Amino acid sequence: SAVISQKPSRDICQRGTSLTIQCQVDSQVTMMFWYRQQPGQSLTLIATANQGSEATYESGFVIDKFPISRPNLTFSTLTVSNMSPEDSSIYLCSADLEGETQYFGPGTRLLVL
Amino acid sequence: SQQGEEDPQALSIQEGENATMNCSYKTSINNLQWYRQNSGRGLVHLILIRSNEREKHSGRLRVTLDTSKKSSSLLITASRAADTASYFCATVPRSARQLTFGSGTQLTVLP
Repeated sequence: SAVISQKPSRDICQRGTSLTIQCQVDSQVTMMFWYRQQPGQSLTLIATANQGSEATYESGFVIDKFPISRPNLTFSTLTVSNMSPEDSSIYLCSADLEGETQYFGPGTRLLVL
Repeated sequence: SQQGEEDPQALSIQEGENATMNCSYKTSINNLQWYRQNSGRGLVHLILIRSNEREKHSGRLRVTLDTSKKSSSLLITASRAADTASYFCATVPRSARQLTFGSGTQLTVLP
């Protein structure tokens, strides 16, 4: 299976600030995905990041709040902007490698005070 | 919003027993995948079953898929304390590649 890494693994931030999360895949992939997991909940897709085009956001998520970059086929970033305590979650990136199987990074645990 | 539901929400069994978790979904799918998550960490991929498959095995795992009922089940045989985790099903629709997750089952295996 492929290796997907994320940085930072966790962070504690003040409200009103922004945090950029990095996701690195050890092989080239067409599509990368960003998910949010609120405390005690399941995962919800934020957006799909394609290299060379703008990210596609799911209902309830907007680019101003969650800007995404995808500069090449192995890397993506998600920024959580103007944070509030409601943004406290685990943020996970994934990529569909080996055809159909999606693999996940270890997640970034964010706490906003 | 979640594609479907999983039941039970929580399951507690003794080591050595079998654990069965069920997943229901709403739309036509290309495949269904099961994941495990330990204590809010990253997701570990367990098994993928395609829409034209009915059953699949991987070690102590057995997954079934009934597309007519839009449901799937995950059976873990001879459970171990290390199997304690949250288990999620996730579907990939025919026309896309992103996953839509179920609500998850918290499994506790008591030693």
